[in-house]
Amino acid sequence: DVKVTQSSRYLVKRTGEKVFLECVQDMDHENMFWYRQDPGLGLRLIYFSYDVKMKEKGDIPEGYSVSREKKERFSLILESASTNQTSMYLCASNRGRVPNYEQYFGPGTRLTVT
Amino acid sequence: AQSVAQPEDQVNVAEGNPLTVKCTYSVSGNPYLFWYVQYPNRGLQFLLKYITGDNLVKGSYGFEAEFNKSQTSFHLKKPSALVSDSALYFCAVYTGGFKTIFGAGTRLFVKA
Repeated sequence: DVKVTQSSRYLVKRTGEKVFLECVQDMDHENMFWYRQDPGLGLRLIYFSYDVKMKEKGDIPEGYSVSREKKERFSLILESASTNQTSMYLCASNRGRVPNYEQYFGPGTRLTVT
Repeated sequence: AQSVAQPEDQVNVAEGNPLTVKCTYSVSGNPYLFWYVQYPNRGLQFLLKYITGDNLVKGSYGFEAEFNKSQTSFHLKKPSALVSDSALYFCAVYTGGFKTIFGAGTRLFVKA
């Protein structure tokens, strides 16, 4: 079974703090993704990575950065957390360079910024 | 613009009745379509996908989906709903460049 794990299920941070969300997958997948999930908006792509040290902006990258130093690990960084970044964050991974592979998701991190 | 739409925020169905969760899409080129399910406090789980071939795709937990090219739809179906099917369902379409876009989600309530 593919396993995608995220470092925290729930996180509470203060405005202005730097926040790190970690994601690890154990299936040697090339591609990794960070989404945020908000009611009525579905999932929106923040950043993705198709290889170690490679990253691409998604649809809503502002206020976020990422790091992928190892193939199995993909980190999302909130440089200076703001209340509008309160959300559910989902990490996902999949393999290959073709479009027909489904994504495997972690359990999510519910982040609250106060 | 490429997009995916789930026109219903919520679908209510009685246990044992058939269910349909609707999805329409707009992409350039051949569509690669997916359905995912999210149970409470869990991440998304893959249900099924359409890549090519038969228009009726079978997936996990007795779900199936019908691809209709002329109507640009990919509706999720199940012949007999279970209470345990109550969850949030997302339709998704691959748009190129490693990216997939997701619909807003449809919450399914199955009443006993």
